Amino acid sequence: DTGVSQDPRHKITKRGQNVTFRCDPISEHNRLYWYRQTLGQGPEFLTYFQNEAQLEKSRLLSDRFSAERPKGSFSTLEIQRTEQGDSAMYLCASSLTGTVHNEQFFGPGTRLTVL
Amino acid sequence: DQQVKQNSPSLSVQEGRISILNCDYTNSMFDYFLWYKKYPAEGPTFLISISSIKDKNEDGRFTVFLNKSAKHLSLHIVPSQPGDSAVYFCAASARGGSNYKLTFGKGTLLTVNP
Repeated sequence: DTGVSQDPRHKITKRGQNVTFRCDPISEHNRLYWYRQTLGQGPEFLTYFQNEAQLEKSRLLSDRFSAERPKGSFSTLEIQRTEQGDSAMYLCASSLTGTVHNEQFFGPGTRLTVL
Repeated sequence: DQQVKQNSPSLSVQEGRISILNCDYTNSMFDYFLWYKKYPAEGPTFLISISSIKDKNEDGRFTVFLNKSAKHLSLHIVPSQPGDSAVYFCAASARGGSNYKLTFGKGTLLTVNP
């Protein structure tokens, strides 16, 4: 399978705990994105990497959130001191520079439930 | 503020008929428009896209129409099939410095009845 993969698919945690999600993009894609989707909403942009450089963070991403892409391949998204409002589907997507219409390819997502 | 709007939360269509999903946008900087399909427990799947310099793009049963002056686009599915039942998201991408991120609408749930 050469698509975008995410791990874990589901995570249940207690408020105040830290969680980390992993994303493996399509191998030749140099761009990687994180989005968050809550019930009844479309995906909302969180952050973007070109290779290993994090080029933008949305204002939605509070100081408790951090993302890395250390070698320009896989990425991790960490949430510290989780809150109930962090419960959502976290989606990772990847793309290749120069794609005509900026088509991004999404993984299956990690569903986070904060109790 | 919702820059991409899908005002119909749901649409029900009979198999074999046409499905028309609508999308409006407010940001005149948007240059590319994309449609994604999402099944439950899966990530969005890219369906079709269009550039603002065109008014129509067709791929098999799927056609996207863009009316730039009205800031409106629509996705036509002909003929509709039960396997098309999913949530459809309209997304847009701006030119220039922010051309890497997609702005999504809230989605329209399409149900195609056999």
